[in-house]
Amino acid sequence: DTAVSQTPKYLVTQMGNDKSIKCEQNLGHDTMYWYKQDSKKFLKIMFSYNNKELIINETVPNRFSPKSPDKAHLNLHINSLELGDSAVYFCASSQDLITYEQYFGPGTRLTVT
Amino acid sequence: EDQVTQSPEALRLQEGESSSLNCSYTVSGLRGLFWYRQDPGKGPEFLFTLYSAGEEKEKERLKATLTKKESFLHITAPKPEDSATYLCAVQASINAGNMLTFGGGTRLMVKP
Repeated sequence: DTAVSQTPKYLVTQMGNDKSIKCEQNLGHDTMYWYKQDSKKFLKIMFSYNNKELIINETVPNRFSPKSPDKAHLNLHINSLELGDSAVYFCASSQDLITYEQYFGPGTRLTVT
Repeated sequence: EDQVTQSPEALRLQEGESSSLNCSYTVSGLRGLFWYRQDPGKGPEFLFTLYSAGEEKEKERLKATLTKKESFLHITAPKPEDSATYLCAVQASINAGNMLTFGGGTRLMVKP
């Protein structure tokens, strides 16, 4: 069983489009995250989401918005895609905001042309 | 601002040749330091959490240590399957959202 899954694995789209990436965890965790890994392999936190409380990294453009239909899912919506949005996006989860270990999904490689 | 710097960026070892990876950090009160392993095309896989200076943790051929300014990941007698990128991350004690700050990683290549 996959603990944290993401779809799609690859996403190619044009500038200006709106797209979504889905994330699901079957670990029963309360907290989920989105990270961005750029071409230089740096992983940067974008969002933390716990019990309907959203904490946003201040550097994230407001074109990015996470949406959580329930505790097991945290989707990432991106509006008006730009070339600089090309990266690998990782979803992760942890038991709660106190537990340190975060478990990552396999990533979604987004390419904006 | 929390910062994490890993060195070297890449490390080539022969099978059985032990070495260490370095993670230097600057953080406003350390809540935890984490090591992850990332294989190509996959998400990071959790390895260790260290909470305070002097702490050590081991797993198979890996041992992580922590001081007040840096952490080391020691690899003893590595095997080709240890080849991966090793990521270090920190979490500050004043940190809303349990967010991690990652270093750039060390790409380890172990040749048979």
